[in-house]
Amino acid sequence: AQKVTQAQTEISVVEKEDVTLDCVYETRDTTYYLFWYKQPPSGELVFLIRRNSFDEQNEISGRYSWNFQKSTSSFNFTITASQVVDSAVYFCALSETTQGGSEKLVFGKGTKLTVNP
Amino acid sequence: EAGVTQFPSHSVIEKGQTVTLRCDPISGHDNLYWYRRVMGKEIKFLLHFVKESKQDESGMPNNRFLAERTGGTYSTLKVQPAELEDSGVYFCASSLDRQGGRGYTFGSGTRLTVV
Repeated sequence: AQKVTQAQTEISVVEKEDVTLDCVYETRDTTYYLFWYKQPPSGELVFLIRRNSFDEQNEISGRYSWNFQKSTSSFNFTITASQVVDSAVYFCALSETTQGGSEKLVFGKGTKLTVNP
Repeated sequence: EAGVTQFPSHSVIEKGQTVTLRCDPISGHDNLYWYRRVMGKEIKFLLHFVKESKQDESGMPNNRFLAERTGGTYSTLKVQPAELEDSGVYFCASSLDRQGGRGYTFGSGTRLTVV
């Protein structure tokens, strides 16, 4: 069955430190998507990135970067020079194709990141 | 464009009462999903609508939960009667197509507390 594991439940860092959030997944699909979402204290799920399983290029967006390694089934997320505003719960998710031909997301339990000033 | 809107943002009800949650997807998004996060656990899929049809309701926990999407626009999720274990955050998401290629947009969620 599809599964997403975020082994880090909580991480606490001091501002300007770099931090990496781990995500390991299991899937039976040959084509799939991986996602990261941010949930700030206000509660909404904010989309950060979507990665196609055929595209193993790493991606950088400002202070955020993602390392996708199919060989180890990992999709890790690094925040460089963290800021207090990065404090949130971060969810990694994997798409799963259902029997009916549609798709749903399988989420990890989330990692709560606290960035202290 | 307006995002996915959920109402109410919070609801506190007594065990045995009925609650109805509403989700307005992004205009033009045929696909609408309900997810929920029970305290301390993963966000889990409940069901998927394509327009007004239920495409997949495999995640609905039991028959106390009823989802509808009349006319293929907004959706409601009714819990009747509510139990303590129904407490959690209920998220709605919408997308243009059935696959993740163009992504999903989530609402802010409805925090349901059953006391």
